[in-house]
Amino acid sequence: DSGVTQTPKHLITATGQRVTLRCSPRSGDLSVYWYQQSLDQGLQFLIQYYNGEERAKGNILERFSAQQFPDLHSELNLSSLELGDSALYFCASSAQGFGEQYFGPGTRLTVT
Amino acid sequence: GIQVEQSPPDLILQEGANSTLRCNFSDSVNNLQWFHQNPWGQLINLFYIPSGTKQNGRLSATTVATERYSLLYISSSQTTDSGVYFCAAGRSNFGNEKLTFGTGTRLTIIP
Repeated sequence: DSGVTQTPKHLITATGQRVTLRCSPRSGDLSVYWYQQSLDQGLQFLIQYYNGEERAKGNILERFSAQQFPDLHSELNLSSLELGDSALYFCASSAQGFGEQYFGPGTRLTVT
Repeated sequence: GIQVEQSPPDLILQEGANSTLRCNFSDSVNNLQWFHQNPWGQLINLFYIPSGTKQNGRLSATTVATERYSLLYISSSQTTDSGVYFCAAGRSNFGNEKLTFGTGTRLTIIP
């Protein structure tokens, strides 16, 4: 158990819908990262937050957005969902804005 | 950005065998991590090893930063070692860091 929690574990939704994935970092960690794992793209970095501020952005679609709240939990919002958004979404956390990252169990999203 | 290549892509071994997994990265890094993704999809941290050598039980890892590669050694393989092993590299810049993952090595241990 890494100490990073993600909810829900599984999510099945239809095309065009909007979902929110939630992540709680390890106690004391200030930085949260989101990654997407799909069969065709592999594991890809989406976005990083540090103490509430966006720090780094990867290949995140405009339909996706994220935020980190004052209690340091983070949410990833996915809208206008397409079949290709079906993937495993991981959240990770680190103590600072760099250093070892610990991954949560992931949220498996299926878009039908 | 940083490119990460892993080899071999697939490895099938008998229980008890030893193996070496390789990770090459294209640029200098200050974060290098090895993960094991189990059949349930969980990413398990194995090593944080931007340089040097570390050991944890039957597993050990070495990163030669100047030559831009890292090796993961698994000795006396067990069936529970099966899964996909990922290497991920990153370079922090002003407090931001993203990990670039390789495509993984799928390890299958046969009883």
